[in-house]
Amino acid sequence: SQTIHQWPATLVQPVGSPLSLECTVEGTSNPNLYWYRQAAGRGLQLLFYSVGIGQISSEVPQNLSASRPQDRQFILSSKKLLLSDSGFYLCAWQELAGHTDTQYFGPGTRLTVL
Amino acid sequence: AQSVTQLDSHVSVSEGTPVLLRCNYSSSYSPSLFWYVQHPNKGLQLLLKYTSAATLVKGINGFEAEFKKSETSFHLTKPSAHMSDAAEYFCVVSSWTDKLIFGTGTRLQVFP
Repeated sequence: SQTIHQWPATLVQPVGSPLSLECTVEGTSNPNLYWYRQAAGRGLQLLFYSVGIGQISSEVPQNLSASRPQDRQFILSSKKLLLSDSGFYLCAWQELAGHTDTQYFGPGTRLTVL
Repeated sequence: AQSVTQLDSHVSVSEGTPVLLRCNYSSSYSPSLFWYVQHPNKGLQLLLKYTSAATLVKGINGFEAEFKKSETSFHLTKPSAHMSDAAEYFCVVSSWTDKLIFGTGTRLQVFP
């Protein structure tokens, strides 16, 4: 069966520090991968998605970036965090086989920027 | 363009009473529709999915939703609420690019 992991689970970082959040998927090949952010009391905002290794599409211009160095690894990064980067970050995968559009979410990372 | 509207930001029910969470959608083609649930500080869990097969979709934990094309609705129901159902619920529609479009969420409170 497929599983999705995110780490760390929680993170507290000072303004201006770098960021690296990791997401890995097991049990599937060549999935679409997604990064979402959920601000307090709000819905989900799609940040990045990837249809393959090295292929990244950005939905919202900001100081975050994403990379996909391996088929089942998706990384969210920042060189300098802003206060507004605080939120709950969710990674999701979507299986291409059978052209299903269902996305399955990881447990999330709670980021607090102080 | 696709969109989804969750009509209630908060719903409160007593344990053992029915739950109704309302969702209306807009789509220029036959959409896929989903309900996800999110417990505090957790990821989103898929409750159920509609994909143009049966209009009444049964999901996990006793939830079900009915697709009504004439009303462009996809309301989520459960006959009897349990304390563990307290969470945030998201109605979601898929776009033609396979991206998901999320509603703003409905927070369900269940009182004993």
